[in-house]
Amino acid sequence: QVQLVESGGGVVQPGRSLRLSCSASGFTFSNYVMNWVRQAPGKGLEWVAVMSYDEDYKYYADSVKGRFTISRDNSKNTLYLQMDRLRAEDTAVYFCARDPGGGYFSNRFDPWGQGTLVTVSS
Amino acid sequence: SYVLTQPPSVSVAPGQTARVTCGGNNIGSERVHWYQQKPGQAPILVVYDDSDRPSGIPERFSGSNSENTATLSISRVEAGDEADYYCQVWSSSTDLYFFGPGTKVTVL
Repeated sequence: QVQLVESGGGVVQPGRSLRLSCSASGFTFSNYVMNWVRQAPGKGLEWVAVMSYDEDYKYYADSVKGRFTISRDNSKNTLYLQMDRLRAEDTAVYFCARDPGGGYFSNRFDPWGQGTLVTVSS
Repeated sequence: SYVLTQPPSVSVAPGQTARVTCGGNNIGSERVHWYQQKPGQAPILVVYDDSDRPSGIPERFSGSNSENTATLSISRVEAGDEADYYCQVWSSSTDLYFFGPGTKVTVL
């Protein structure tokens, strides 16, 4: 079955960097648009970034643009999120989520991974 | 930016219908998707493209979208439907994605 497993979360000081990974299985990863979505503790969902299956298109939320970079390695079935210049307000559970469009943007998220917690604190 | 509004909470008795609204400027011209999130779990898609259901989602979940309001309806509500529900759209003018603030559905 389709499975997404995030890793790489942890506690990091403000201004430092962290890289998250999302390992995909159960589907042809290279055919799908992939996203990162985050959720601060006790708060709602916030979309972070999206990347097309062929890496040609990347879009970012205004809150992370210029600090975060989404990338993928289709040979490893893995999605990444490089987070630089981290701030306290970046503290959240980070989910990776597939766009089920299968080669095109359907602009929704299904399924989601279980998430990895990033805590930015001194 | 595209602002979506949702009521913070909706309460419903078992067996009744819960309706969760999602307001947005001319949201009727956008495709709206709905997610259910239970405590400590990842969200799951329950309605997409305004009114379609993914496989495995009960027919009790339905959606509509018109003018400035999209609505998720849950008929014959069960205790297991208690969760947070989020609406989501993609803005064609910005190529960005937006979520509503979420609605907590409580089954009395």
